[in-house]
Amino acid sequence: GENVEQHPSTLSVQEGDSAVIKCTYSDSASNYFPWYKQELGKRPQLIIDIRSNVGEKKDQRIAVTLNKTAKHFSLHITETQPEDSAVYFCAASQGGSEKLVFGKGTKLTVNP
Amino acid sequence: GAVVSQHPSRVICKSGTSVKIECRSLDFQATTMFWYRQFPKQSLMLMATSNEGSKATYEQGVEKDKFLINHASLTLSTLTVTSAHPEDSSFYICSARGGTAYNQPQHFGDGTRLSIL
Repeated sequence: GENVEQHPSTLSVQEGDSAVIKCTYSDSASNYFPWYKQELGKRPQLIIDIRSNVGEKKDQRIAVTLNKTAKHFSLHITETQPEDSAVYFCAASQGGSEKLVFGKGTKLTVNP
Repeated sequence: GAVVSQHPSRVICKSGTSVKIECRSLDFQATTMFWYRQFPKQSLMLMATSNEGSKATYEQGVEKDKFLINHASLTLSTLTVTSAHPEDSSFYICSARGGTAYNQPQHFGDGTRLSIL
């Protein structure tokens, strides 16, 4: 089955800096890769996703890149703000199924 | 769009009680709903997948007689934790996905924090 590794587990940046979170997956049949942001005690919110037929996707300050050959995908947040502080989870679809396998999460702290 | 409502948000009850959690898609038809469990500071662990009108598919290690799932309509799925014990205390979150394509987003409810005394 699918295995998703996420790094780093914690990330602290200064306001205005960029933040990068990386994930690797094992199942070459995976074709959907969403990223979720979860604030303490709240629901995971979809912030961006990418499908395997695309190498990069951008939405304002957030971008995701996908390297299918290397089986890794990354989240890039530019011009970070304190409200970006949260836990971020990557996920990958388990190939051929409707299930998502989540990474262990990255706690991002943006210091003012 | 894509709003998922989960109720109740918090339950505190005695050991042996059965607890029902509801998950509703408010503005779309959810072909598939998923139930997750999340321990403090940990990731989301899939418990089961439910499709409207059919039996849920449980992940390995999840007791189907303990965690009863019903997906009676395209907008409602329920999870019943039967005869709950302290080890069942956790944060339970549902998600819903519209359409039939697998590569569509899952939208999450607010979660239910279950505490068994």
